[in-house]
Amino acid sequence: QKEVEQNSGPLSVPEGAIASLNCTYSDRGSQSFFWYRQYSGKSPELIMSIYSNGDKEDGRFTAQLNKASQYVSLLIRDSQPSDSATYLCAPNGALTFGSGTRLQVQP
Amino acid sequence: GAVVSQHPSWVICKSGTSVKIECRSLDFQATTMFWYRQFPKQSLMLMATSNEGSKATYEQGVEKDKFLINHASLTLSTLTVTSAHPEDSSFYICSARYRFGTDTQYFGPGTRLTVL
Repeated sequence: QKEVEQNSGPLSVPEGAIASLNCTYSDRGSQSFFWYRQYSGKSPELIMSIYSNGDKEDGRFTAQLNKASQYVSLLIRDSQPSDSATYLCAPNGALTFGSGTRLQVQP
Repeated sequence: GAVVSQHPSWVICKSGTSVKIECRSLDFQATTMFWYRQFPKQSLMLMATSNEGSKATYEQGVEKDKFLINHASLTLSTLTVTSAHPEDSSFYICSARYRFGTDTQYFGPGTRLTVL
């Protein structure tokens, strides 16, 4: 089993919709979780971190963590074309990255 | 805050030459820096973990004699690609972690290496 699993996509949503990105991880001991966004040809940029079960909101972004299910998600409200990128989920200090989910927001 | 720079942003070199890439944390001290490589349409692959004042820890399959890493200060790590070959052409990205506090990593903008 891979350490981090994400649907590679592309996930296509219309502008203004909610985009839901999901991630499962294998290490039950993971304590910290990070979401990064990577535009094509650029390096990743940190969007959010979450450490506790439940939801954490930051602007249009909400991270959700369920440690019992080893699942973390990222919701993007009011999706914009500028949100089109690959989103990387990274448990535990972001040393291991999955392939990421490519999001396309259609104008 | 938490800005990481890389230099150069892109480099073209001839096969057989060596290339040095610098990674600097500009506004914080980083005990640990990481070096990643990313091929087109692939995920980030961790190459090595660099700790200030000690030898780097390389991931399995990464040749330590080919990819020389030096972390001489709390704000600077360098990656030298020695005897570069066309297959070393890739996007090299560094990241830095705060000396104190969380395990958040902050990424540099990356260096695109093309070996002819």
